[in-house]
Amino acid sequence: GEDVEQSLFLSVREGDSSVINCTYTDSSSTYLYWYKQEPGAGLQLLTYIFSNMDMKQDQRLTVLLNKKDKHLSLRIADTQTGDSAIYFCAVNTGFQKLVFGTGTRLLVSP
Amino acid sequence: DTEVTQTPKHLVMGMTNKKSLKCEQHMGHRAMYWYKQKAKKPPELMFVYSYEKLSINESVPSRFSPECPNSSLLNLHLHALQPEDSALYLCASTSGSTYEQYFGPGTRLTVT
Repeated sequence: GEDVEQSLFLSVREGDSSVINCTYTDSSSTYLYWYKQEPGAGLQLLTYIFSNMDMKQDQRLTVLLNKKDKHLSLRIADTQTGDSAIYFCAVNTGFQKLVFGTGTRLLVSP
Repeated sequence: DTEVTQTPKHLVMGMTNKKSLKCEQHMGHRAMYWYKQKAKKPPELMFVYSYEKLSINESVPSRFSPECPNSSLLNLHLHALQPEDSALYLCASTSGSTYEQYFGPGTRLTVT
């Protein structure tokens, strides 16, 4: 089955850029997503990218997709303390199912 | 409006109790999901309803019983749970076009 991996932890200073990485195994995935989860809350959809795109920008967020290397990244520009959360990438494996990555905890210090 | 609501927010139940979790969406989405999430882990899929019919059951124990009374509502009936079932239970729905899922805030369940 699909395997989606992320690094566990990332620490940045406020105002810096953050880059969260994700690798996956199933090259037939059509859509790839980024979710944010704050403590005790549900998952908030941040953005998604179709597999025939290699970049998508949405305000402070930039998603890069390298389909050849099966690598997805999320760049957050001008990171703020409110961006501290766990970030999950997710891959569509069939029209009803998502496979989530292991999650990256982002800590932003003042 | 991309809101999915869940009630209750918190639930504490004993191993002999019967309780239900409720999820509601008014986005016209035709697929709805139940996930279980343990601390510091990604959500694990439990059930998928598509057009009010159960389409996926990820081998979930029968002490969890899902129900979809109509296209906007999803319930999860709980009976004879174990302490290891304590977790955050998340509901989600999808539009079906780009398959992105919208999540509710979750129900924090504690089984004593």
